[in-house]
Amino acid sequence: ETGVTQTPRHLVMGMTNKKSLKCEQHLGHNAMYWYKQSAKKPLELMFVYNFKEQTENNSVPSRFSPECPNSSHLFLHLHTLQPEDSALYLCASSSGRGDYGYTFGSGTRLTVV
Amino acid sequence: RKEVEQDPGPFNVPEGATVAFNCTYSNSASQSFFWYRQDCRKEPKLLMSVYSSGNEDGRFTAQLNRASQYISLLIRDSKLSDSATYLCVVRPENNRKLIWGLGTSLAVNP
Repeated sequence: ETGVTQTPRHLVMGMTNKKSLKCEQHLGHNAMYWYKQSAKKPLELMFVYNFKEQTENNSVPSRFSPECPNSSHLFLHLHTLQPEDSALYLCASSSGRGDYGYTFGSGTRLTVV
Repeated sequence: RKEVEQDPGPFNVPEGATVAFNCTYSNSASQSFFWYRQDCRKEPKLLMSVYSSGNEDGRFTAQLNRASQYISLLIRDSKLSDSATYLCVVRPENNRKLIWGLGTSLAVNP
């Protein structure tokens, strides 16, 4: 596989559930990102990992917990989410800080019921 | 004032038309600028970086106007496949975080 792969594509979860989003990149990039995209809002950066070390947490609630076991894999663990957390969650990767562009995965469309 | 501002549109144009979008940014020291394209229910994809001298890629031309703090994207000879949302992205100086615009929606009609 090439590029950035995200699973699952769609997820419906209750407010008491625990689930995880997975992202894998096959581009040899050193940086990985989680973004949230909600309707009528710009992309919101959630977390940044550089060489598997977290370098940025953009004031994200603790019900979102990232994990980066290596430079190719990124997870977002979800628990006790709220309906307003329903959104498209996008994973991206880049070489360096991304001045040659970010490569995004196809996203996970999350619905919290 | 928003850090990055775009006219949301939608811009409805016929095939073959020339269309231009602007994007204004508030931080005068911003250094890096990009245009991304996002198709409906898909992920954003890099369309082009924007360089100080302006740059062209086929039918697409991007320009930077530092004095007025905006970047522009010109699309010539529009195709149906150009229908998408075009996202303006700016990296402010001394801040690693990219700032994303809301996007401008373009619909090219037959």
